[in-house]
Amino acid sequence: DIRMTQSPSSLPASVGDRVTITCRASQSITYYLNWYQQKPGRAPKLLIYSASSLQGGVPSRFSGTGSGTDFTLTISSLQPEDFATYYCQQSYSAPKTFGQGTKVEIK
Amino acid sequence: QVQLQQSGPGLVKPSQTLSLTCAISGDSVSSNNAVWNWIRQSPSRGLEWLGRTYYRSQWYNDYAVSVKGRITINPDTSKNQFSLQLNSVTPEDTAVYYCARDVDSLGQDYWGQGTPVTVSS
Repeated sequence: DIRMTQSPSSLPASVGDRVTITCRASQSITYYLNWYQQKPGRAPKLLIYSASSLQGGVPSRFSGTGSGTDFTLTISSLQPEDFATYYCQQSYSAPKTFGQGTKVEIK
Repeated sequence: QVQLQQSGPGLVKPSQTLSLTCAISGDSVSSNNAVWNWIRQSPSRGLEWLGRTYYRSQWYNDYAVSVKGRITINPDTSKNQFSLQLNSVTPEDTAVYYCARDVDSLGQDYWGQGTPVTVSS
């Protein structure tokens, strides 16, 4: 199985901050990397697919980069509704493994 | 607009079978480019992909090694839904279970509402 490692696990931040989360795959997954946002009691929401493509309806302050094994999710200016947990997931091969999550919390 | 509606019991006894159903609207379980997944989430295991079913001129299934031998995912074309059966459950199978769609490996874009399942006597 491909192992996905996110960092940091927790990220204290303030409204307006630029926030970056990283995700590393244990082997190359080319660009088959997705990012999700999850709020308590809700299903994950797809933000970015194929490493850098913004899912419809997702604000442009979210962006993704990377290929191979190293990827980043950036929120350019954190908004109050962005405090949540973020997960990466590889869709290169089954099982479609997830990272352990990064909780963006109020500083 | 695709919607996935989950149903099934929230409490299962140890050694018994967990059964959940995901009813699809706005798409077809027999779609030639969609894949239908089951995913679970628990504090100890995080988000864990369990398996999928999809149709590409014939039906295919893939399962996670962690549950292989205990899991079955079946499509039901007459009701446009798919199901999850997990046999011989233990308390470690306690989790929130989600169904989800993905298209061409571009991420799970639609999710069910989630079903909390507790394994306890």
